[in-house]
Amino acid sequence: DAKTTQPPSMDCAEGRAANLPCNHSTISGNEYVYWYRQIHSQGPQYIIHGLKNNETNEMASLIITEDRKSSTLILPHATLRDTAVYYCIVRARGGVIQGAQKLVFGQGTRLTINP
Amino acid sequence: DGGITQSPKYLFRKEGQNVTLSCEQNLNHDAMYWYRQDPGQGLRLIYYSQIVNDFQKGDIAEGYSVSREKKESFPLTVTSAQKNPTAFYLCASSISTGSYEQYFGPGTRLTVT
Repeated sequence: DAKTTQPPSMDCAEGRAANLPCNHSTISGNEYVYWYRQIHSQGPQYIIHGLKNNETNEMASLIITEDRKSSTLILPHATLRDTAVYYCIVRARGGVIQGAQKLVFGQGTRLTINP
Repeated sequence: DGGITQSPKYLFRKEGQNVTLSCEQNLNHDAMYWYRQDPGQGLRLIYYSQIVNDFQKGDIAEGYSVSREKKESFPLTVTSAQKNPTAFYLCASSISTGSYEQYFGPGTRLTVT
Protein backbone atom coordinates (compact mmCIF):
# COMPACT_ATOMS: atom_id res chain seq x y z
CA ASP A 1 0.00 0.00 0.00
CA ALA A 2 1.26 3.46 -0.89
CA LYS A 3 2.31 5.63 2.04
CA THR A 4 0.96 9.13 2.46
CA THR A 5 2.50 12.28 3.90
CA GLN A 6 0.43 15.11 5.33
CA PRO A 7 1.38 18.24 7.27
CA PRO A 8 0.72 17.74 10.98
CA SER A 9 -1.36 20.87 11.40
CA MET A 10 -2.99 23.74 9.53
CA ASP A 11 -5.07 26.78 10.36
CA CYS A 12 -7.78 28.42 8.28
CA ALA A 13 -10.10 31.35 8.82
CA GLU A 14 -13.81 30.68 9.01
CA GLY A 15 -15.49 31.21 5.65
CA ARG A 16 -12.33 30.74 3.67
CA ALA A 17 -11.35 27.69 1.63
CA ALA A 18 -9.27 25.11 3.47
CA ASN A 19 -6.79 23.30 1.23
CA LEU A 20 -5.30 20.15 2.73
CA PRO A 21 -2.41 18.56 0.83
CA CYS A 22 -1.40 14.91 0.72
CA ASN A 23 1.66 13.38 -0.93
CA HIS A 24 1.44 9.80 -2.17
CA SER A 25 4.39 9.52 -4.55
CA THR A 26 4.41 5.68 -4.55
CA ILE A 27 0.76 5.32 -5.52
CA SER A 28 0.09 2.56 -8.04
CA GLY A 29 -2.34 2.57 -10.93
CA ASN A 30 -5.20 0.77 -9.22
CA GLU A 31 -5.07 2.68 -5.95
CA TYR A 32 -7.66 5.23 -4.96
CA VAL A 33 -7.16 8.25 -2.73
CA TYR A 34 -9.61 8.37 0.18
CA TRP A 35 -10.18 11.16 2.68
CA TYR A 36 -11.69 10.80 6.13
CA ARG A 37 -11.90 13.15 9.05
CA GLN A 38 -12.36 12.66 12.76
CA ILE A 39 -13.82 15.31 14.98
CA HIS A 40 -12.70 15.02 18.58
CA SER A 41 -14.30 12.08 20.42
CA GLN A 42 -16.42 11.07 17.44
CA GLY A 43 -16.19 8.29 14.87
CA PRO A 44 -14.32 8.95 11.62
CA GLN A 45 -16.37 10.35 8.77
CA TYR A 46 -15.88 9.41 5.13
CA ILE A 47 -15.48 12.54 2.99
CA ILE A 48 -14.57 11.68 -0.58
CA HIS A 49 -12.43 9.46 -2.78
CA GLY A 50 -11.01 9.53 -6.28
CA LEU A 51 -8.81 7.69 -8.74
CA LYS A 52 -7.49 10.23 -11.22
CA ASN A 53 -10.24 12.68 -12.05
CA ASN A 54 -11.14 15.54 -9.77
CA GLU A 55 -14.17 14.78 -7.64
CA THR A 56 -16.72 16.95 -5.85
CA ASN A 57 -19.52 16.16 -3.47
CA GLU A 58 -21.59 18.07 -0.95
CA MET A 59 -18.76 18.08 1.56
CA ALA A 60 -15.59 18.76 -0.40
CA SER A 61 -13.61 18.67 -3.61
CA LEU A 62 -10.67 16.42 -4.32
CA ILE A 63 -8.00 17.56 -6.75
CA ILE A 64 -5.54 14.87 -7.88
CA THR A 65 -2.46 15.88 -9.85
CA GLU A 66 -2.00 14.48 -13.31
CA ASP A 67 0.87 12.22 -12.19
CA ARG A 68 -1.29 11.15 -9.19
CA LYS A 69 1.59 11.67 -6.78
CA SER A 70 -0.28 14.21 -4.71
CA SER A 71 -3.76 15.45 -4.03
CA THR A 72 -5.55 18.29 -2.27
CA LEU A 73 -8.77 18.16 -0.32
CA ILE A 74 -10.67 21.43 -0.53
CA LEU A 75 -13.33 22.52 1.93
CA PRO A 76 -14.72 25.51 0.02
CA HIS A 77 -16.21 27.53 2.88
CA ALA A 78 -14.79 26.25 6.12
CA THR A 79 -16.86 26.50 9.29
CA LEU A 80 -15.92 25.99 12.91
CA ARG A 81 -17.46 22.51 12.70
CA ASP A 82 -14.83 21.52 10.16
CA THR A 83 -12.17 21.57 12.90
CA ALA A 84 -10.95 17.97 12.93
CA VAL A 85 -8.08 15.66 12.06
CA TYR A 86 -8.11 14.86 8.34
CA TYR A 87 -6.70 11.59 7.05
CA CYS A 88 -5.59 10.79 3.53
CA ILE A 89 -5.25 7.09 2.72
CA VAL A 90 -4.43 5.27 -0.48
CA ARG A 91 -5.86 1.83 -1.19
CA ALA A 92 -6.80 -0.42 -4.07
CA ARG A 93 -10.52 -0.89 -4.36
CA GLY A 94 -12.51 -4.06 -4.97
CA GLY A 95 -10.96 -7.09 -6.51
CA VAL A 96 -10.39 -10.35 -4.71
CA ILE A 97 -10.85 -9.79 -1.03
CA GLN A 98 -7.79 -10.92 0.89
CA GLY A 99 -9.14 -9.63 4.13
CA ALA A 100 -11.21 -6.78 5.45
CA GLN A 101 -10.47 -3.50 3.82
CA LYS A 102 -9.45 -2.18 7.17
CA LEU A 103 -8.76 1.49 7.52
CA VAL A 104 -5.27 2.36 8.64
CA PHE A 105 -4.84 6.01 9.46
CA GLY A 106 -1.53 7.80 9.65
CA GLN A 107 -1.13 10.89 11.80
CA GLY A 108 -3.28 13.07 9.56
CA THR A 109 -3.54 16.85 9.52
CA ARG A 110 -5.09 18.63 12.48
CA LEU A 111 -7.13 21.42 10.86
CA THR A 112 -8.20 24.29 13.08
CA ILE A 113 -10.79 26.73 11.78
CA ASN A 114 -10.47 30.10 13.47
CA PRO A 115 -13.36 32.55 13.89
CA ASP B 1 -32.34 8.71 8.53
CA GLY B 2 -29.95 5.89 7.73
CA GLY B 3 -26.96 5.41 9.92
CA ILE B 4 -25.12 3.46 12.56
CA THR B 5 -25.90 3.64 16.22
CA GLN B 6 -23.74 2.53 19.09
CA SER B 7 -24.76 2.38 22.67
CA PRO B 8 -23.98 3.40 25.26
CA LYS B 9 -21.69 6.37 24.57
CA TYR B 10 -19.84 5.92 27.86
CA LEU B 11 -19.48 2.64 29.76
CA PHE B 12 -17.77 1.91 33.03
CA ARG B 13 -16.97 -1.60 34.25
CA LYS B 14 -14.97 -3.27 36.94
CA GLU B 15 -12.02 -5.42 35.99
CA GLY B 16 -12.97 -9.05 35.49
CA GLN B 17 -16.43 -8.36 34.08
CA ASN B 18 -17.48 -9.06 30.53
CA VAL B 19 -19.24 -6.22 28.73
CA THR B 20 -21.15 -6.11 25.44
CA LEU B 21 -21.14 -3.08 23.17
CA SER B 22 -24.06 -2.60 20.81
CA CYS B 23 -23.85 -1.69 17.13
CA GLU B 24 -26.86 -1.39 14.83
CA GLN B 25 -27.07 -0.15 11.24
CA ASN B 26 -30.01 0.49 8.93
CA LEU B 27 -27.95 1.15 5.81
CA ASN B 28 -28.55 -2.35 4.46
CA HIS B 29 -24.78 -2.87 4.42
CA ASP B 30 -23.40 -6.40 4.26
CA ALA B 31 -20.07 -5.68 5.94
CA MET B 32 -19.53 -4.53 9.49
CA TYR B 33 -16.39 -3.84 11.50
CA TRP B 34 -15.18 -3.19 15.01
CA TYR B 35 -12.17 -0.98 15.61
CA ARG B 36 -10.40 0.14 18.71
CA GLN B 37 -8.78 3.55 19.05
CA ASP B 38 -6.41 4.50 21.85
CA PRO B 39 -5.55 8.13 22.70
CA GLY B 40 -3.55 9.78 19.92
CA GLN B 41 -3.54 6.57 17.90
CA GLY B 42 -5.12 5.38 14.70
CA LEU B 43 -7.65 2.58 14.30
CA ARG B 44 -6.94 -1.07 14.94
CA LEU B 45 -9.27 -3.71 13.54
CA ILE B 46 -10.74 -6.15 16.08
CA TYR B 47 -13.26 -8.19 14.08
CA TYR B 48 -15.15 -7.88 10.84
CA SER B 49 -18.10 -9.58 9.22
CA GLN B 50 -18.80 -9.89 5.52
CA ILE B 51 -22.27 -11.39 5.80
CA VAL B 52 -24.73 -12.69 8.37
CA ASN B 53 -23.49 -15.63 10.43
CA ASP B 54 -19.91 -15.03 9.32
CA PHE B 55 -17.12 -13.09 11.00
CA GLN B 56 -13.34 -13.00 10.91
CA LYS B 57 -10.63 -11.93 13.32
CA GLY B 58 -8.85 -8.69 12.71
CA ASP B 59 -5.44 -7.69 14.01
CA ILE B 60 -6.26 -7.59 17.72
CA ALA B 61 -9.07 -10.11 18.29
CA GLU B 62 -7.71 -11.67 21.49
CA GLY B 63 -10.00 -11.01 24.43
CA TYR B 64 -12.95 -10.04 22.24
CA SER B 65 -15.89 -11.94 20.73
CA VAL B 66 -18.63 -11.01 18.27
CA SER B 67 -21.79 -12.40 16.70
CA ARG B 68 -23.66 -11.57 13.52
CA GLU B 69 -27.09 -13.16 13.77
CA LYS B 70 -28.81 -10.32 11.94
CA LYS B 71 -27.64 -8.13 9.10
CA GLU B 72 -28.34 -5.00 11.11
CA SER B 73 -26.53 -5.95 14.29
CA PHE B 74 -22.90 -6.73 15.18
CA PRO B 75 -22.40 -6.69 18.97
CA LEU B 76 -18.91 -6.83 20.47
CA THR B 77 -18.18 -8.48 23.81
CA VAL B 78 -15.09 -7.35 25.66
CA THR B 79 -14.17 -10.28 27.87
CA SER B 80 -12.18 -10.37 31.08
CA ALA B 81 -9.34 -11.90 29.04
CA GLN B 82 -8.70 -8.57 27.29
CA LYS B 83 -5.70 -7.15 29.13
CA ASN B 84 -6.17 -3.46 28.34
CA PRO B 85 -9.86 -2.96 27.60
CA THR B 86 -10.07 0.77 28.31
CA ALA B 87 -10.38 2.42 24.89
CA PHE B 88 -12.68 4.11 22.39
CA TYR B 89 -14.56 1.46 20.39
CA LEU B 90 -15.85 2.23 16.93
CA CYS B 91 -18.26 0.23 14.81
CA ALA B 92 -18.42 0.74 11.05
CA SER B 93 -20.23 -0.68 8.06
CA SER B 94 -19.79 -0.70 4.31
CA ILE B 95 -21.63 -2.09 1.33
CA SER B 96 -19.09 -4.90 1.16
CA THR B 97 -15.65 -5.64 2.56
CA GLY B 98 -14.27 -4.60 -0.83
CA SER B 99 -15.24 -1.02 -0.10
CA TYR B 100 -13.18 1.56 1.78
CA GLU B 101 -16.22 3.82 2.11
CA GLN B 102 -16.91 2.85 5.66
CA TYR B 103 -19.51 4.64 7.74
CA PHE B 104 -18.88 4.90 11.44
CA GLY B 105 -21.02 5.06 14.51
CA PRO B 106 -20.42 7.64 17.25
CA GLY B 107 -18.32 5.25 19.30
CA THR B 108 -18.42 3.86 22.83
CA ARG B 109 -15.83 4.96 25.35
CA LEU B 110 -15.20 2.04 27.70
CA THR B 111 -13.40 2.55 30.98
CA VAL B 112 -12.43 -0.47 33.05
CA THR B 113 -11.12 0.03 36.56
